[in-house]
Amino acid sequence: EVQLVESGGGLVQPGGSLRLSCAASGFTFSNYWMHWVRQVPGKGLVWVSRINSDGSSTSYADSVRGRFTISRDNAKNTLYLQMNSLRAEDTAVYYCARVTYYYDSSGYTAVYYFDHWGQGTLVTVSS
Amino acid sequence: QSVLTQPPSVSGAPGQRVTISCTGSSSNIGAGYDVHWYQQLPGTAPKLLIYGNTNRPSGVPDRFSGSKSGTSASLAITGLQAEDEADYYCQSYDSSLSGWVFGGGTKLTVL
Repeated sequence: EVQLVESGGGLVQPGGSLRLSCAASGFTFSNYWMHWVRQVPGKGLVWVSRINSDGSSTSYADSVRGRFTISRDNAKNTLYLQMNSLRAEDTAVYYCARVTYYYDSSGYTAVYYFDHWGQGTLVTVSS
Repeated sequence: QSVLTQPPSVSGAPGQRVTISCTGSSSNIGAGYDVHWYQQLPGTAPKLLIYGNTNRPSGVPDRFSGSKSGTSASLAITGLQAEDEADYYCQSYDSSLSGWVFGGGTKLTVL
């Protein structure tokens, strides 16, 4: 059974840092791209960042680029999100998610979708 | 404001059929990127409901179906049940943003 368990959330002051972890089990972690998605309580889902299977390629939403860093340790089956220069608007539940892909009708473009999600960890940025 | 637009809420009586729309633009759905749907029950993480516009993962009842046309997509739920009461999100990829995008979510109320 695929399991994703986030940890590391908590209360942090504006300008502070926090590192989230996502422990993966039940599948070959090193074969999959992974993402972070966040959700302000009571609001919608927002994509944050993604990393490819060997960690050599990453991308970020504009709102976090330059402040957040996604990484992974395939030997430890763990995904990370280092969050620096935190702002009140970063307050949210952070989910890690595994993606699976298929090729679209053209046969050339890989289409990724979130097939498994963790339970989330709450990050609160407040003084 | 979300890149993909969904109605904030829909409702229906048990047994009825409801649809949830997801409207995008020429840089996401209209560019040919597929749409996926997720169900989020109260207090839980999202769960994959439909992938690749129309495909159901194993375990998802055939009461749920998806479609896509032009710059929009839709999720249809037939034979509404109380357990379907949840938030539903559409998701695609946006080439202008070079990132994955979600709709704002639709709260389904079973009357």
